Amino acid sequence: EDQVTQSPEALRLQEGESSSLNCSYTVSGLRGLFWYRQDPGKGPEFLFTLYSAGEEKEKERLKATLTKKESFLHITAPKPEDSATYLCAVPNSGGSNYKLTFGKGTLLTVNP
Amino acid sequence: GAVVSQHPSRVICKSGTSVKIECRSLDFQATTMFWYRQFPKQSLMLMATSNEGSKATYEQGVEKDKFLINHASLTLSTLTVTSAHPEDSSFYICSASGVAGYQETQYFGPGTRLLVL
Repeated sequence: EDQVTQSPEALRLQEGESSSLNCSYTVSGLRGLFWYRQDPGKGPEFLFTLYSAGEEKEKERLKATLTKKESFLHITAPKPEDSATYLCAVPNSGGSNYKLTFGKGTLLTVNP
Repeated sequence: GAVVSQHPSRVICKSGTSVKIECRSLDFQATTMFWYRQFPKQSLMLMATSNEGSKATYEQGVEKDKFLINHASLTLSTLTVTSAHPEDSSFYICSASGVAGYQETQYFGPGTRLLVL
């Protein structure tokens, strides 16, 4: 059974204090790993897709990396507007509809 | 690109009535659409998957007669909550996939907050 575990559950940072969020996964044949950002009362916003170990993608202050067992979302010099819940997900093994298995998310709070 | 809209964003209804929520992909053809439910401070729970022109596939424990899903076109899917009760109050979110070259990526709508009185 596919599993996705995110840590920590919650993270408080001061503005400018860089850190990383972790997403560990167990799947039979990775067909991609997704990162989303979700603000309260809104749907998830797509951030990145990573397909193979060693791949990295960047967007503003965010950088996502992937190994064979986990992915990291690095946040460099965060700002208060980066506060959100960050979700990691993988497509289910097998099947053609790419159903996603989500982690429980990391609630990031960046204080000014 | 890859914008998904939902309507309404918020709805309040009386117990026993039915509510329809629309999900549209605005700038791509969605071969597959998904419907999720999210409880406060919890992750998304997949309710069903639908392909255009086919019957929806419901997840275990989701009542198909309660939550009617129609995927009539490549840009529109609807979720109808029939005979709604207070326990159906929740945040409903749809997503769509099918962007050329990125078939596996789901793009989410902004969500619909349902309150059943």
